[in-house]
Amino acid sequence: EPEVTQTPSHQVTQMGQEVILRCVPISNHLYFYWYRQILGQKVEFLVSFYNNEISEKSEIFDDQFSVERPDGSNFTLKIRSTKLEDSAMYFCASSVKRGSQETQYFGPGTRLLVL
Amino acid sequence: GNSVTQMEGPVTLSEEAFLTINCTYTATGYPSLFWYVQYPGEGLQLLLKATKADDKGSNKGFEATYRKETTSFHLEKGSVQVSDSAVYFCALNTNTGNQFYFGTGTSLTVIP
Repeated sequence: EPEVTQTPSHQVTQMGQEVILRCVPISNHLYFYWYRQILGQKVEFLVSFYNNEISEKSEIFDDQFSVERPDGSNFTLKIRSTKLEDSAMYFCASSVKRGSQETQYFGPGTRLLVL
Repeated sequence: GNSVTQMEGPVTLSEEAFLTINCTYTATGYPSLFWYVQYPGEGLQLLLKATKADDKGSNKGFEATYRKETTSFHLEKGSVQVSDSAVYFCALNTNTGNQFYFGTGTSLTVIP
């Protein structure tokens, strides 16, 4: 069964460094998403992406963050100048279509630790 | 606004016990409701969903009914197994379908 994959599974970085989290969505999906979960808190929406542009973003997704689909398969989240509070689990998701009944398929997550 | 509140964990049950994980929501419009499960080391997997009031989602012995009058979508299973040990997330998807709103997750451990 097709699945969303994410790399790396774990990332440790120093405060102020840039990190790139990578995702390979399911191949026939057109909508892509990033979420994060700070330890002990809710899974929070960051951004959705369709047709090579951001379609919606939350207030968390400020200028520190950017997303890109550099080729036909990868979907990346870049975090510039990381802060301690960026430590979280980051989930990528994809869906075939957009709509309230549409299921989003999630990857296993990347655990980011900023020291 | 949109939000999901789910039962705090962790929950520990003996095998074959009855499981309930409470979930309530607030939403504008008519959301769809979902339960996702995360097994250790894996991603969030869809467990079941319901797209309108009074719908019942079911899968692998788990059930949840979309109750608009109580704005709830409680997850139940009549007899849990050790293999059900995981973290369970309640979520809603809004009319625009652009983002999910999740609860904090409830960790379930089933002991033999």
